[in-house]
Amino acid sequence: DAGVIQSPRHEVTEMGQEVTLRCKPISGHNSLFWYRQTMMRGLELLIYFNNNVPIDDSGMPEDRFSAKMPNASFSTLKIQPSEPRDSAVYFCASSDGQGVYNSPLHFGNGTRLTVT
Amino acid sequence: QKEVEQNSGPLSVPEGAIASLNCTYSDRGSQSFFWYRQYSGKSPELIMFIYSNGDKEDGRFTAQLNKASQYVSLLIRDSQPSDSATYLCAPRGAGANNLFFGTGTRLTVIP
Repeated sequence: DAGVIQSPRHEVTEMGQEVTLRCKPISGHNSLFWYRQTMMRGLELLIYFNNNVPIDDSGMPEDRFSAKMPNASFSTLKIQPSEPRDSAVYFCASSDGQGVYNSPLHFGNGTRLTVT
Repeated sequence: QKEVEQNSGPLSVPEGAIASLNCTYSDRGSQSFFWYRQYSGKSPELIMFIYSNGDKEDGRFTAQLNKASQYVSLLIRDSQPSDSATYLCAPRGAGANNLFFGTGTRLTVIP
């Protein structure tokens, strides 16, 4: 089975540019999560979707960040305009949400974003 | 955000010893608890989860949960150099689907 697929693996961009990160969840999973990881703050939940609907976006840092899930097999996280402090590894994860107690999150390989 | 506290380490143990990783959490409503392992430069991968007070064993790994003390731990028996990684604790709240992660404990197993 293919796992969670993220693209690109690495992104280097200049401050002020728009960045779009992409994620394909595991087929059949109905929950999708975007996390950001830095050395200082660890893994932070940005937003998550259930059945393509955003449930909690309280972790989105500011209006420069937006996320969409147009269908069950695709999601994007967009940063516009990007800033150097956005540099981090961004992970997408999915879960099947059934039996919530024991439904783990399955992580993609992440996108390492560097904003210069 | 819910608070999840882990000793950042590094925790060093000799090969063959027992490694003990600890985690405390602030949300009393947390119902289940997940342990993930993350190798440097890689994504987190699930080790095991626990939702009942007491111990749960899976191979060399044992998770221990005490909801009254808001404490969960992971024991690794017969530690191997391949266990060297960062271990992340992640509680899940009641009725929630998301996980809040601690900053992790870095474990080094010395051959």
